[in-house]
Amino acid sequence: ETGVTQSPTHLIKTRGQQVTLRCSSQSGHNTVSWYQQALGQGPQFIFQYYREEENGRGNFPPRFSGLQFPNYSSELNVNALELDDSALYLCASSGPTSTDTQYFGPGTRLTVL
Amino acid sequence: GESVGLHLPTLSVQEGDNSIINCAYSNSASDYFIWYKQESGKGPQFIIDIRSNMDKRQGQRVTVLLNKTVKHLSLQIAATQPGDSAVYFCADGAGNTGNQFYFGTGTSLTVIP
Repeated sequence: ETGVTQSPTHLIKTRGQQVTLRCSSQSGHNTVSWYQQALGQGPQFIFQYYREEENGRGNFPPRFSGLQFPNYSSELNVNALELDDSALYLCASSGPTSTDTQYFGPGTRLTVL
Repeated sequence: GESVGLHLPTLSVQEGDNSIINCAYSNSASDYFIWYKQESGKGPQFIIDIRSNMDKRQGQRVTVLLNKTVKHLSLQIAATQPGDSAVYFCADGAGNTGNQFYFGTGTSLTVIP
């Protein structure tokens, strides 16, 4: 157990809808990174939040956005859902520096119909 | 861009034998690597890490070897057990800002009792 929690566990949405995924970081960690993992693939970096500011972004469109709160928990928002957004969404927490080892939560399985 | 690849997508070993999982990376500036284990339906679990100022690091039943000359690293698991069955990823922590981890596609390890 890493102490990183994510909610919900599973989610089903339809194309065009919006979704919000949540992550609580491990105690003492101030950095949250979000990854998308398609079936049979390795995780792909979406973005990272460090001390409530975006601190790096991967090759994902602007409809993927995020927030980090003062308690270092985080949200991932995806607008205008597409079928290809179906994946396991993972958050990883790290700290006290943004480049420390990342510990993953169990993920949220998003299905877009 | 960055690429990380594992040499074999699947590996089967007999219980009690040693397992070796290989990984190649492309960025010669990469200076931090992590091996993760991912069981079905779970998030990646940290196994062991290594920085570029080392060429070998040992943990409990696991050893990571890093060859910077050929940009290759390997994960060795001693006395493989059924509980070791999972997908293994190597993650390259170079990134442009050092906070983005690049994952390979993973090697699925099956331990035969």
